[in-house]
Amino acid sequence: RKEVEQDPGPFNVPEGATVAFNCTYSNSASQSFFWYRQDCRKEPKLLMSVYSSGNEDGRFTAQLNRASQYISLLIRDSKLSDSATYLCVVNSYQTGANNLFFGTGTRLTVIP
Amino acid sequence: DTAVSQTPKYLVTQMGNDKSIKCEQNLGHDTMYWYKQDSKKFLKIMFSYNNKELIINETVPNRFSPKSPDKAHLNLHINSLELGDSAVYFCASSQGLAGGFENEQFFGPGTRLTVL
Repeated sequence: RKEVEQDPGPFNVPEGATVAFNCTYSNSASQSFFWYRQDCRKEPKLLMSVYSSGNEDGRFTAQLNRASQYISLLIRDSKLSDSATYLCVVNSYQTGANNLFFGTGTRLTVIP
Repeated sequence: DTAVSQTPKYLVTQMGNDKSIKCEQNLGHDTMYWYKQDSKKFLKIMFSYNNKELIINETVPNRFSPKSPDKAHLNLHINSLELGDSAVYFCASSQGLAGGFENEQFFGPGTRLTVL
């Protein structure tokens, strides 16, 4: 089983729409959680961390449900510039070190 | 200023060749990593180095060898290249090893390797 599972999409939404991405992780001992964004043919960049109580950064809201091992990202009022692949990332301590485990990403296209 | 840089950006080579990819970070970070992103866009860690010590070695063939001349550099050397090695290789760095939120990883622009 993969460490992190995501719906690959693609999600095609009109400008101004609200869209939600979900992911699940397999290691219940995972310590920290993130959403990264990757533009086409570019490197991943941190979008936001995901805290246990949930957190918001402008139009982006992240939620964590430890009991269900489930992470979500909500994007409100989608902009054309939000088009990218969103990677769910989980940090787990394994074999003597901390590793980041990446989901395969959910591709979002915002349509004018 | 480029935080994490990699060279070359593109690498096309024949099967059986040996090649190296260089990575440098100017962030003063303690830990550097190599990731492989395959054709299905799945990003998987290969190695990480902290204070010149290899601390992670996932199930990566021993044809791949990371080399760190100093804290700011982590190069990736690949021997006897195979078709399946074709992928995008990303270097990254972070401050420290802990799994905390403060240890954001910064990625280089990637090296697209094509083995013919």
